[in-house]
This record gives sequence, structure tokens and C-alpha cells, in this order.
Amino acid sequence: NAGVTQTPKFQVLKTGQSMTLQCAQDMNHEYMSWYRQDPGMGLRLIHYSVGAGITDQGEVPNGYNVSRSTTEDFPLRLLSAAPSQTSVYFCASRPISEPGANYGYTFGSGTRLTVV
Amino acid sequence: ILNVEQSPQSLHVQEGDSTNFTCSFPSSNFYALHWYRWETAKSPEALFVMTLNGDEKKKGRISATLNTKEGYSYLYIKGSQPEDSATYLCAFKEGNQGGKLIFGQGTELSVKP
Repeated sequence: NAGVTQTPKFQVLKTGQSMTLQCAQDMNHEYMSWYRQDPGMGLRLIHYSVGAGITDQGEVPNGYNVSRSTTEDFPLRLLSAAPSQTSVYFCASRPISEPGANYGYTFGSGTRLTVV
Repeated sequence: ILNVEQSPQSLHVQEGDSTNFTCSFPSSNFYALHWYRWETAKSPEALFVMTLNGDEKKKGRISATLNTKEGYSYLYIKGSQPEDSATYLCAFKEGNQGGKLIFGQGTELSVKP
């Protein structure tokens, strides 16, 4: 079981460039989410999904798009990168349906993104 | 905007000390309260998921309590060890199984030998 796999681990972008952060899980989890981690700010929710074809906004969605075409994959797109998007990004997943509903999230290893 | 507050922000203790942290969250529309342990250069790992008022959970030397009516949870570590050094995060899940999970800013614990 690979768990939650994030790629790439590191990325440097120029302002205005676009890119996609990949997230894949092999645990058949319905719920997937993207967080960003900034110093002193904890983990802030960007977007989340409760299943294929369903996405919703979190606390800080501006500048990011997501889609969920399969249960396994939940990519995060930056359409026009800005220095304010320099952060560490974490993908996390969990089952929704019982008995998994009381499980905690499984996190990926993170993507460190720098926008110059 | 959901407000999840943790205190203290950081804590420095000696090996063998017992310690506790607080997580405050909205007392309305509660579904679950999560605790995570986050070591430097690693990913957060789930410690507890608590859903019922009065819940108490324990894993080794770490335990947690939950008061949903007043909106707080305590995490206790008995006899802290250097390997307990990490950031401890709480997260509030609102509404239902598919609801958002909103994290607090964390308590950074450092245990000196």
C-alpha cells in the first residue's frame, strides 16, 4: 500500500507560470483535500472533495483549481503562480463511510513550492 | 470562518514532565475533533478522532478528552520523552461526514533530555 503519493516533492516556478501538483491514493478513500502550510498559519484548507465529480472550496481557494475525475486522483492546479503561493502543500485523504468515518486523515509527504 | 485555537503555541519541558495542551473550537455544528502529531520533516499522523461529548481516548502515554458543549479538548502527555518532541495539531470537523476539517495552528512541544 503506497498510501497518499504526492508529486513533485520540490518545485520552483516563475511568477505567472502554471503547474499541477499531483495527489494519488490507493486506499479507496472518498474524501480528499489539499492544505497549504505556512509559518505561523498552521494547515489551511484550499479545496476538498467528497467523491469523484464533487469538489468544494476550503478556507483559501483563490488562485487554485481542482478536479476529481476518479476516486484515486485529486490534482491541484495553479493557473498563474504568484509569490504568495510559495508554501508547502499537503494532500490528505480519509474514508467517509462507516466504519472509516472515525479514522483520521492520511497525509502525503508534501510538495515544497517556491514561486520567484 | 471557523476558529480553532490552540494553546500554548510552544512548550519546552524536561524529560519526565507531564504536560497538556488545549484546543478550542466552535461549540455548534460539531461533528468530530481530531488530534495529530507532526514531527519535523514528516507528515502529520493521526492520534485520535473524537466524536462524543465526554470522550476520552488513550494511546500509550498520550490521552485526550473532549467537551463539545463548551468547545474544548485537552491533550495530555504523561512523563514526556525526547521522542515526543513534535507539533501537535487539533482539527475541527463540522456538520457531517463530508464536512471540512479545519486545523488549529498547533502546539510545538520540545522535550529536553
